[in-house]
Amino acid sequence: ETGVTQSPTHLIKTRGQQVTLRCSSQSGHNTVSWYQQALGQGPQFIFQYYREEENGRGNFPPRFSGLQFPNYSSELNVNALELDDSALYLCASSSPGQQETQYFGPGTRLLVL
Amino acid sequence: RKEVEQDPGPFNVPEGATVAFNCTYSNSASQSFFWYRQDCRKEPKLLMSVYSSGNEDGRFTAQLNRASQYISLLIRDSKLSDSATYLCVVKGRGGGSARQLTFGSGTQLTVLP
Repeated sequence: ETGVTQSPTHLIKTRGQQVTLRCSSQSGHNTVSWYQQALGQGPQFIFQYYREEENGRGNFPPRFSGLQFPNYSSELNVNALELDDSALYLCASSSPGQQETQYFGPGTRLLVL
Repeated sequence: RKEVEQDPGPFNVPEGATVAFNCTYSNSASQSFFWYRQDCRKEPKLLMSVYSSGNEDGRFTAQLNRASQYISLLIRDSKLSDSATYLCVVKGRGGGSARQLTFGSGTQLTVLP
């Protein structure tokens, strides 16, 4: 186990709703990255948070937003859900001295109907 | 063109077989290279980093050709437990999103008894 936890494990929403996903990083890790993995695809980078600031963003629209808290846990918020947002959402944490290695949580499976 | 492209698979091989996965990347400024393994409905886990000189970890051998922008993974004496999706991953230089992990779509391997 990586020590990275995510909640909830599964979620069903309808189009137009909003969702918040949560991630607790591994102890000592101050960097959290979020990824979206559609069925049959590799994970795609959404954004990264380092010391409570966004530190890089992938090709995702502004309705994908996030937060990092002083304890380095993080949230991913998605507004105005679309059917294509159905995916596995993964968070990964890394430590200050080992940015190369990211430890993934088990993910949240989101289904948008 | 995708930034990281992999053999589409799936690969179905008998136990004990040797199997090779190939991957190409488009960004010549890429800095670090990895192979991740993802079991069905689980999170990706780092299998091994890939170094310019090539590296081996037990039955697994990874090679990198920077001139051709090509990465490979060789699995010898394959086991049933090797059945998984293998993700080729590239990390760029620079700040922000440039330094994030870019994943290929993955190649599914099934080792048959």
